[in-house]
Amino acid sequence: KQEVTQIPAALSVPEGENLVLNCSFTDSAIYNLQWFRQDPGKGLTSLLLIQSSQREQTSGRLNASLDKSSGRSTLYIAASQPGDSATYLCAVRNYGGSQGNLIFGKGTKLSVKP
Amino acid sequence: EADIYQTPRYLVIGTGKKITLECSQTMGHDKMYWYQQDPGMELHLIHYSYGVNSTEKGDLSSESTVSRIRTEHFPLTLESARPSHTSQYLCASSPGTGENQPQHFGDGTRLSIL
Repeated sequence: KQEVTQIPAALSVPEGENLVLNCSFTDSAIYNLQWFRQDPGKGLTSLLLIQSSQREQTSGRLNASLDKSSGRSTLYIAASQPGDSATYLCAVRNYGGSQGNLIFGKGTKLSVKP
Repeated sequence: EADIYQTPRYLVIGTGKKITLECSQTMGHDKMYWYQQDPGMELHLIHYSYGVNSTEKGDLSSESTVSRIRTEHFPLTLESARPSHTSQYLCASSPGTGENQPQHFGDGTRLSIL
């Protein structure tokens, strides 16, 4: 059974710092891995999707990497801003199972202090 | 960019009532999903649909039911609400083609059963 773990559960940094959020998964047979952002009381916003054949994806100040063999992904945020404060969720899509089913981690709650 | 709408955003209601949570998307996506999220916990898939007249149960057992009579609508119904149904319910959609399409989420319905 696929399990997704995110470390740390919470992180507080001063504005301007570069930071890394970690995600690990137990079953490497995945189609893709997706990083989401969730603001309080809101739904999820898709940030980056990395296909199983890819090593990384970049969007603006965000860079996500994938090491499928070791079951790990990282989300790198450069030059953090207070507006980056949110909960960041990692999710994997397995081969087989429910069509399109995503397995989520519990998230990392990020707070960027001005 | 997918537009996906959920109503109501918040609902507080007494035990035993019948509840329908609405979800609509305007992008013509074939696949739609319902997730349940308790505070501080992972999202879990409770229902999904490949298209019109297609519904399947997800990995997390739920007493709710869904229907897909039209492509754009995917309502979720609880016939007799109980306090154990208190949670946040998130609807998502994705295009029917390709295995590496990101899921787009609504803002969720926060349900509280007294």
